[in-house]
Amino acid sequence: DIQMTQSPSSLSASEGDRVTITCRAGQSISNYLNWYQQIPGKAPRLLIYGASTLQSGVPSRFSGSGSGTDFTLTISSLEPEDSAIYYCQQSYSMPLLTFGGGTKVEIK
Amino acid sequence: EVQLLESGGGLVQPGGSLRLSCATSGFPFSRYAMSWVRQAPGKGLEWVSGTTGNGGSTYYADSVRGRFTISKDHSKNTLFLQMNNLRAEDTAVYYCARGNSYLEYWGQGSLVTVSA
Repeated sequence: DIQMTQSPSSLSASEGDRVTITCRAGQSISNYLNWYQQIPGKAPRLLIYGASTLQSGVPSRFSGSGSGTDFTLTISSLEPEDSAIYYCQQSYSMPLLTFGGGTKVEIK
Repeated sequence: EVQLLESGGGLVQPGGSLRLSCATSGFPFSRYAMSWVRQAPGKGLEWVSGTTGNGGSTYYADSVRGRFTISKDHSKNTLFLQMNNLRAEDTAVYYCARGNSYLEYWGQGSLVTVSA
């Protein structure tokens, strides 16, 4: 199995801050990396696929980058509604998928 | 509008069985791969199972292989997950999702509790 490690596990930032979440794969996965947002009590929502392609309807303050083993999700200017848990997921070994452990983002 | 609606969850004793359903609408069901993902209480997401568009190929996480079976009924546009020999560690919210690479659409989830 391809292990996915996210950091930090949680963070607290102020509205308007730039926030970066990191995801590292246990082996090279090219750009087969996807990001999801989950508000507690709700289903996950796809934000970015293919490491950097924004899903339709997702605000442009979200962006993704990286390839190989190291990836980042950036929120350029944090909004109150961005308070959620963010997960990365590799699809290199599809259909056997693996998720990272999640990063909880809180608004100060 | 794409919609996924899970049902069939509930309380079951260890060793028991349960079948989850995921009724879909708004897209050509037979053309799309589908997946099941679960989330134990307070924990992260875990991929459980996936199937190809025609349902001819199926895939499972090691933790459920041999106990769970995924299937599609194209006449009803419905995805199923048959869960046998359930264990306490199978307790989770189970989500169905469209896709087997990136998961573009998700259902609202169905809670399965395995407890005596």
